[in-house]
Amino acid sequence: KQEVTQIPAALSVPEGENLVLNCSFTDSAIYNLQWFRQDPGKGLTSLLLIQSSQREQTSGRLNASLDKSSGRSTLYIAASQPGDSATYLCAVSVLGTGANNLFFGTGTRLTVIP
Amino acid sequence: EAGVAQSPRYKIIEKRQSVAFWCNPISGHATLYWYQQILGQGPKLLIQFQNNGVVDDSQLPKDRFSAERLKGVDSTLKIQPAKLEDSAVYLCASSPSRAGNTIYFGEGSWLTVV
Repeated sequence: KQEVTQIPAALSVPEGENLVLNCSFTDSAIYNLQWFRQDPGKGLTSLLLIQSSQREQTSGRLNASLDKSSGRSTLYIAASQPGDSATYLCAVSVLGTGANNLFFGTGTRLTVIP
Repeated sequence: EAGVAQSPRYKIIEKRQSVAFWCNPISGHATLYWYQQILGQGPKLLIQFQNNGVVDDSQLPKDRFSAERLKGVDSTLKIQPAKLEDSAVYLCASSPSRAGNTIYFGEGSWLTVV
């Protein structure tokens, strides 16, 4: 069974700092990996999706990398801002019965201090 | 474009009572998901529909949970009878039919069982 781990569980950084969030998964037979953001009391917002054949994806100040063979992904946030404060979740997609099932980590709670 | 709509947003019930949650996915999205997110954990897939057929319900506690997606659009998730451990956020999500697409989440229905 696929297991997804995120380290650290919580992170506090001063505004303007660059930071890296880590995600690891046990089964490398994935279809894709997604990074989500979750604000308190809200649903999940997809930030980046990396297909298994890709190595990285970029969107603005965010860059996500994928090393499928080692079962690892990182989310790099450049020049962090207080508005980046949220919980960041990674999820891997495993094809089963033709479907797209997501297995989530428990998230990293990020606080950016002004 | 309208997002995934869910109702009610909040519900408090006593154990052994029943509750139903409703979800309207993004127009045209063939795949609909129900996830359960317990506080401090990542979401866990309960059931996945492709149009009005069930693709995966392996993690749905079928003795108390049921879900349907009539006509391949709206969906309802029901819990009867509820237990204290069912307290969680129930997230509905949808995606286009092709596997590997970004998944769009609603804001969730928050259930507290007392």
